[in-house]
Amino acid sequence: DAEITQSPRHKITETGRQVTLACHQTWNHNNMFWYRQDLGHGLRLIHYSYGVQDTNKGEVSDGYSVSRSNTEDLPLTLESAASSQTSVYFCASSSDKNTEAFFGQGTRLTVV
Amino acid sequence: AQSVTQLDSQVPVFEEAPVELRCNYSSSVSVYLFWYVQYPNQGLQLLLKYLSGSTLVKGINGFEAEFNKSQTSFHLRKPSVHISDTAEYFCASGNTGFQKLVFGTGTRLLVSP
Repeated sequence: DAEITQSPRHKITETGRQVTLACHQTWNHNNMFWYRQDLGHGLRLIHYSYGVQDTNKGEVSDGYSVSRSNTEDLPLTLESAASSQTSVYFCASSSDKNTEAFFGQGTRLTVV
Repeated sequence: AQSVTQLDSQVPVFEEAPVELRCNYSSSVSVYLFWYVQYPNQGLQLLLKYLSGSTLVKGINGFEAEFNKSQTSFHLRKPSVHISDTAEYFCASGNTGFQKLVFGTGTRLLVSP
């Protein structure tokens, strides 16, 4: 079955380190999204992509970057991890605006 | 700018009782509305969606929601809840369908026997 997978599921890193969270989908979806989930904020959009070589900033993009070199993957990079980036990160994908966006299981990142 | 407000952070209810989870949205343009459910340590699963057409939307697991444009609301309802409905529920909106969703802060539904 097609799916969307995130790795790692849990990560502890130190302040200042670069961290990359992986997101891989096998539906061949054009659209991919990264959200962070924090208590009291719900999910907030970090970055998104509508296709290969396309990336766009979301609501809370500072300190994060993404790249889209193929259809299947949208890795999220924290250039210099900060404690404020401790969160649960969700990746999602959809084929077009009218079809369901599917979410990964999430990555719990702790920055110490 | 879009925003979504979920008025209740937590809703306790007894099994087999009805429940309503409230959601209000603001948008100056056409809006698409969604309800997602998140079970513990899981990703989000779509319960139902409103893209256009009938204002009463039926979803999975016996949930339904009504789009009310005049009150800018999209409340989620279930006539009889089960223990297994205990989860976090998120209302979301998008100006372009499933793209760039804006989420509410979530409502934790606690169903007890």
